[in-house]
Amino acid sequence: KAGVTQTPRYLIKTRGQQVTLSCSPISGHRSVSWYQQTPGQGLQFLFEYFSETQRNKGNFPGRFSGRQFSNSRSEMNVSTLELGDSALYLCASSLGETNTGELFFGEGSRLTVL
Amino acid sequence: SQQGEEDPQALSIQEGENATMNCSYKTSINNLQWYRQNSGRGLVHLILIRSNEREKHSGRLRVTLDTSKKSSSLLITASRAADTASYFCATAPGKSTFGDGTTLTVKP
Repeated sequence: KAGVTQTPRYLIKTRGQQVTLSCSPISGHRSVSWYQQTPGQGLQFLFEYFSETQRNKGNFPGRFSGRQFSNSRSEMNVSTLELGDSALYLCASSLGETNTGELFFGEGSRLTVL
Repeated sequence: SQQGEEDPQALSIQEGENATMNCSYKTSINNLQWYRQNSGRGLVHLILIRSNEREKHSGRLRVTLDTSKKSSSLLITASRAADTASYFCATAPGKSTFGDGTTLTVKP
């Protein structure tokens, strides 16, 4: 069974640009969560999707958005990039919606903003 | 605010020694999970303990849960250099809430 796949693994952008990151969950998983990890702020929750609906959202500005497609694949977008957006973005999938099971993480997308 | 808070922030031990890290949380939970993260990689699920369980074992891992103190501990016995990683706890409900992690260094 394939794991969670995140693309791209590495990318470099400049301030003001936008970026789209993709996450393919484990087959059969309907929930996808996104996290930002930086050395200074640790692991912070961005949002969670279940069956194409955003269920929870973290404390991030509106420049951060996401969506989930009918095949459960998810994308997140960051517009008007700032230097502080440089981070490892992690996606996790789980079988159900209600936080009762384990999360399966991808290897992350490392974004560098210059 | 984050629910799970791990301590210590950093722990350095010799190979073969045991490593203990702790997690505290604030609100009622259904379960608590521990994850490991090797540098720059994704997190890997280690073990889940339900709120009605007090102790759980998995290989060299032992997890305890004290719901009255809202705390959990992860014990890694007979540590190996390969155990060098960051360890996080997360609670459910609230899978969004990870702590800052404990960075474990196991010296060969």
